Amino acid sequence: DAGVIQSPRHEVTEMGQEVTLRCKPISGHDYLFWYRQTMMRGLELLIYFNNNVPIDDSGMPEDRFSAKMPNASFSTLKIQPSEPRDSAVYFCASSYRVWLDNEQFFGPGTRLTVL
Amino acid sequence: DAKTTQPPSMDCAEGRAANLPCNHSTISGNEYVYWYRQIHSQGPQYIIHGLKNNETNEMASLIITEDRKSSTLILPHATLRDTAVYYCIVTNNNAGNMLTFGGGTRLMVKP
Repeated sequence: DAGVIQSPRHEVTEMGQEVTLRCKPISGHDYLFWYRQTMMRGLELLIYFNNNVPIDDSGMPEDRFSAKMPNASFSTLKIQPSEPRDSAVYFCASSYRVWLDNEQFFGPGTRLTVL
Repeated sequence: DAKTTQPPSMDCAEGRAANLPCNHSTISGNEYVYWYRQIHSQGPQYIIHGLKNNETNEMASLIITEDRKSSTLILPHATLRDTAVYYCIVTNNNAGNMLTFGGGTRLMVKP
């Protein structure tokens, strides 16, 4: 398996524009997570899905952020409108089992810069 | 999740064992200790986890004290490629697979 795939790897946009980040989890994994990493706040969980259903979105910073998982092999994180403070590295991760094993596999991340 | 405390940074000589400590004095009986690391510009990578017994895999060993209030991750023969930020995380596997990352320990392996 190719691992968790994220696209784009780098995104530069201007304030006010819509940004869509994409993630393809590892085949067979039933949990998908979106994280954000900044120097100031470290690595934060934004939202996670189980079997394509959002379970906990309490980490989503505000209504400008939305995430969807239309099927088991694809998820998007959308920011609309984007602001300079959204600049960060966004990671997607997936995992398989809950019980006794919480190994999450992370993608390479998308580095977002909002000017 | 219980909070963890780790030193912000450590150095280790290449080829020597790296011992990374973690305090988790408020850990509950059903919470596991997980270790992840993040090499610069990459996503975090799972290393090892344990409940009460010591664990070993191809990457590292995890030593958990009998009272479970602290643990040590051991990289037996550190290499330059082990330079990374190491995160100790305590989590209840019933809590929906959620991981809460703290500040971690920045390990610098020096030649």
